[in-house]
Amino acid sequence: AQTIHQWPVAEIKAVGSPLSLGCTIKGKSSPNLYWYWQATGGTLQQLFYSITVGQVESVVQLNLSASRPKDDQFILSTEKLLLSHSGFYLCAWGGTGGPDYTFGSGTRLLVI
Amino acid sequence: GEQVEQLPSSLIVQEGASVLINCSYTDSASVYFPWYKQEPGKRLQFIIDIRSNMERKQTQRLTLLFDKKTKHLSLHITATQPGDSAIYFCSASPGNTGKLIFGLGTTLQVQP
Repeated sequence: AQTIHQWPVAEIKAVGSPLSLGCTIKGKSSPNLYWYWQATGGTLQQLFYSITVGQVESVVQLNLSASRPKDDQFILSTEKLLLSHSGFYLCAWGGTGGPDYTFGSGTRLLVI
Repeated sequence: GEQVEQLPSSLIVQEGASVLINCSYTDSASVYFPWYKQEPGKRLQFIIDIRSNMERKQTQRLTLLFDKKTKHLSLHITATQPGDSAIYFCSASPGNTGKLIFGLGTTLQVQP
């Protein structure tokens, strides 16, 4: 069975500090991977997607970057956090949505 | 780009009642519409979907109606239970891209 694991579960970070969020998928080879972000009171926005190792496409510019160093790993990062980065970050794997579009449990980020 | 509007933003009903959640989208290129449910403290979970070549889909207590002409969907939940309490998200996908545009969600609270 496929599993998706996100870390950390929650973070409180200072403005201007760096950030790295991780996502690992097990049991699925060459998955399509996605990062989503939800501001407090807002909707889920797709930030990045990756179809293969080393290839990442940006969907929304939020002064964040993403990398896919391994087939089963997707990293979201920034060197300088902004207050506006606070929110809920979700990793997902899948194809076109629906039953095979599986979300991780998310990372809640508070920037102060 | 695609925009998805979801109404109402919240609902409180008594157990056993039926509820209707409405969703509209703007991009006629969207062909796939999965819905997700997020229970408190749990990850997003797929509940039902419909494609643009269909008008209706039903599974257990969920009925999803789709009107391509008006770009409108409605999710009908019958015989609600306290376990149905969650945030329900409508989403739209323009073709086989894996990209999902989400609505703001509807928070449903079912009181026993």
